[in-house]
Amino acid sequence: DTGVSQDPRHKITKRGQNVTFRCDPISEHNRLYWYRQTLGQGPEFLTYFQNEAQLEKSRLLSDRFSAERPKGSFSTLEIQRTEQGDSAMYLCASSLARTSGSNEQFFGPGTRLTVL
Amino acid sequence: RKEVEQDPGPFNVPEGATVAFNCTYSNSASQSFFWYRQDCRKEPKLLMSVYSSGNEDGRFTAQLNRASQYISLLIRDSKLSDSATYLCVVTRSSASKIIFGSGTRLSIRP
Repeated sequence: DTGVSQDPRHKITKRGQNVTFRCDPISEHNRLYWYRQTLGQGPEFLTYFQNEAQLEKSRLLSDRFSAERPKGSFSTLEIQRTEQGDSAMYLCASSLARTSGSNEQFFGPGTRLTVL
Repeated sequence: RKEVEQDPGPFNVPEGATVAFNCTYSNSASQSFFWYRQDCRKEPKLLMSVYSSGNEDGRFTAQLNRASQYISLLIRDSKLSDSATYLCVVTRSSASKIIFGSGTRLSIRP
C-alpha cells in the first residue's frame, strides 16, 4: 500500500498523559499536513510541513502540541498533558507541491484519540 | 462567522434524483476550491476540483461563482453509493492551509 499511513489507528489515554502519533506520507510528497476532526465538523488545520520545515501553525495548536518532520519524510504529532477536549480524530495528509494546478491532498486513515 | 459555510443537511433523496449543494466562502482572496467526499468513519477523499469555468465529471458538476463567493456541487441520477458527507474546501494559495466546511450529509434512499 503506497498511500498515507498513520499509527496508531486508535489511542485511549488518561487525562494528563502524553501521546505521540506517527504519519508516513506518500513517499514522493514533500508537503505534510496535520488536521483534527471532531464529530459533525470538517477537518481543522493544525500545521503543515514542506520537507522538514514547519511552515505554518494554527492557533488551535496550543503549547501542549508539537509536531516534527525531522528528515522530511515521516512526521510525529505529540500532545502533552492531554485533556478531554483533545479527544478527536487526528488526520494526516500529504501532497506534492506544484507551481500550477491542483495540490490534491491525500489523507491517511486517521488516529482516533479518546482521553478519559 | 465561519470562513467556509455549508448546509449540514441531512439531504435525504430517492435514488435517481438530482441533488445540489452550495457552499459559501467569506475570503475574496480565496484561490482554489474543491469538493471532498467523506464516508462514515473514513478519511476525506478528493471528489473534484472546482474551476472558474465550471467542470463536470460523469454525474457530478461543480460550479464556482466568484462574484457571489460560492461553489456548488450537482449530482445527477444519484446512486445509493453517493451517500456520504460532502466537504467544501477552499484555499488561499497553493502553499497555504486549506479550510474545510463542516460538510453536508447526503443520504440516498432506495
